[in-house]
Amino acid sequence: DADVTQTPRNRITKTGKRIMLECSQTKGHDRMYWYRQDPGLGLRLIYYSFDVKDINKGEISDGYSVSRQAQAKFSLSLESAIPNQTALYFCATRPEENTEAFFGQGTRLTVV
Amino acid sequence: RKEVEQDPGPFNVPEGATVAFNCTYSNSASQSFFWYRQDCRKEPKLLMSVYSSGNEDGRFTAQLNRASQYISLLIRDSKLSDSATYLCVVNSHTGKLIFGQGTTLQVKP
Repeated sequence: DADVTQTPRNRITKTGKRIMLECSQTKGHDRMYWYRQDPGLGLRLIYYSFDVKDINKGEISDGYSVSRQAQAKFSLSLESAIPNQTALYFCATRPEENTEAFFGQGTRLTVV
Repeated sequence: RKEVEQDPGPFNVPEGATVAFNCTYSNSASQSFFWYRQDCRKEPKLLMSVYSSGNEDGRFTAQLNRASQYISLLIRDSKLSDSATYLCVVNSHTGKLIFGQGTTLQVKP
């Protein structure tokens, strides 16, 4: 089983719908991150969390919200999906500052 | 200016060639640096960390130049299996992991 699991792996949704992407990890890490990847733009940081009570905006947080339900779970929500949120979304975790990050397998989201 | 910049390529090289990628970062307070590899829209995976003294892992050598704020990755004796996108990653002083846009390498037979 993967240490960092994202669900769903693929989703097609309609404009205006609410959708939640979930990330869970069994590594016991405190730090969790959500990124989106678009062709030619690399990975851009949406939100990150250093522990259950700590949530921080990344460079492209508009249109997104997150919830850190437990150390192991970090969910990303699109309250009202729009087509330019079509992208590949990655969750990542790491134990502490300056250490390796471990990624989930990604969620491919299409908004039509 | 982007916080982390890479030449997107693509770099097309023959097997056995030596190829080098550079990456620049804008924040001098950045703390640590990494190279990740990403295959065909799969999840990124750590290739190597980058230390101030430089470090080598087999055919791969990473260098950090803090004065000029750039990081490099050298791949010697390129293999077909090295074809991938190489992502430069910077750990900011606020704990964020910032990615460059990636450099695509295609190794040809």
